[in-house]
Amino acid sequence: AQTVTQSQPEMSVQEAETVTLSCTYDTSESDYYLFWYKQPPSRQMILVIRQEAYKQQNATENRFSVNFQKAAKSFSLKISDSQLGDAAMYFCAYYYTGANSKLTFGKGITLSVRP
Amino acid sequence: DAGITQSPRHKVTETGTPVTLRCHQTENHRYMYWYRQDPGHGLRLIHYSYGVKDTDKGEVSDGYSVSRSKTEDFLLTLESATSSQTSVYFCAIRSQGTEAFFGQGTRLTVV
Repeated sequence: AQTVTQSQPEMSVQEAETVTLSCTYDTSESDYYLFWYKQPPSRQMILVIRQEAYKQQNATENRFSVNFQKAAKSFSLKISDSQLGDAAMYFCAYYYTGANSKLTFGKGITLSVRP
Repeated sequence: DAGITQSPRHKVTETGTPVTLRCHQTENHRYMYWYRQDPGHGLRLIHYSYGVKDTDKGEVSDGYSVSRSKTEDFLLTLESATSSQTSVYFCAIRSQGTEAFFGQGTRLTVV
């Protein structure tokens, strides 16, 4: 069974600093997708970044980047130059490319940003 | 806008009554999912569908049933609501190779 683990329930970062959110996953598959979603207090789920397992290059979207370590099954999110608007809950998610696959989430991490 | 709508957005119901939540999409995505979100548990999968009339259970399926008779609609039914089913419910849709798109969520309170 595929599982996604986010072991840190909460983190805090100073505005303009850098923070890294951790995620590990367990799978026996070789071809899959990984995602980070942001959920602000509005409850809306917003895609932050995605990574295809077959790509060795780490994905980057502006201030957001990932450190994808396939052998270690690790997928961490780095937020650079943190802003007050980054304060939210962040979820790591996974699905493999086979037919009928589930979309599995971690428990999430609450990020607070100190002004 | 990913073209996904959940209804109702809020509902209060009494213990023992049946409740149906609807997820409607206009994007023709193959996969549809129902999750519940509770503090400390993240998003837990209830049921999902990979095509019309093709559904499967998730990790917290007890007390819930689903139906998908059309590509665009995925219904979640609580046959006899209990207080433990008070939660926020999210529907998500995706296609192969895409990210998932989410509805706005339904806050269900069982009293």
